Amino acid sequence: KAGVTQTPRYLIKTRGQQVTLSCSPISGHRSVSWYQQTPGQGLQFLFEYFSETQRNKGNFPGRFSGRQFSNSRSEMNVSTLELGDSALYLCASSLEENETQYFGPGTRLLVL
Amino acid sequence: AQSVTQPDIHITVSEGASLELRCNYSYGATPYLFWYVQSPGQGLQLLLKYFSGDTLVQGIKGFEAEFKRSQSSFNLRKPSVHWSDAAEYFCAVGRPGGGNKLTFGTGTQLKVEL
Repeated sequence: KAGVTQTPRYLIKTRGQQVTLSCSPISGHRSVSWYQQTPGQGLQFLFEYFSETQRNKGNFPGRFSGRQFSNSRSEMNVSTLELGDSALYLCASSLEENETQYFGPGTRLLVL
Repeated sequence: AQSVTQPDIHITVSEGASLELRCNYSYGATPYLFWYVQSPGQGLQLLLKYFSGDTLVQGIKGFEAEFKRSQSSFNLRKPSVHWSDAAEYFCAVGRPGGGNKLTFGTGTQLKVEL
């Protein structure tokens, strides 16, 4: 069974631009969660989608948004990029709530 | 709100030695508890999890963890460390009924000396 895939793996943007990251969960998984990982703040929860509905949201500004499609694939968007948005963005999928979450390799975003 | 503390930022052990990584959590009830490992440039891999029942949990790669309610701890152990165990280890808590949101500790970087 294929694992969680994230595209692109690496991305360089400049301040003020916007970016869209994609996550394809393991086949059959309906829950997709997003996390931001930085050296200073560690791993922080962004949001979770389940069956196309946002089920949980972390403490991030409205510039961070996401969505989930009917095939469970998810995208997250960051608008008006800031230098502090440079991070590894991790996606995780699971079958249901409280099931094991499987993480993808992440997308490394660098904002210049 | 739940929180997780991993008091040790870096730990160095010799190959073959035993290992214990500490994790303390703050939560009003019994949370769901997890240990993940991350190798450089990689995502997170689940080592083990505790939801309920037996407080000693066995995981992959020879790891185990013990949930101690009285100490609000969920320490990770391995009796004999291998050089390939060098990585960063994260403890995380989830809230029962709260979806799949995880709160992570700051991580412990494990170095293994040959």
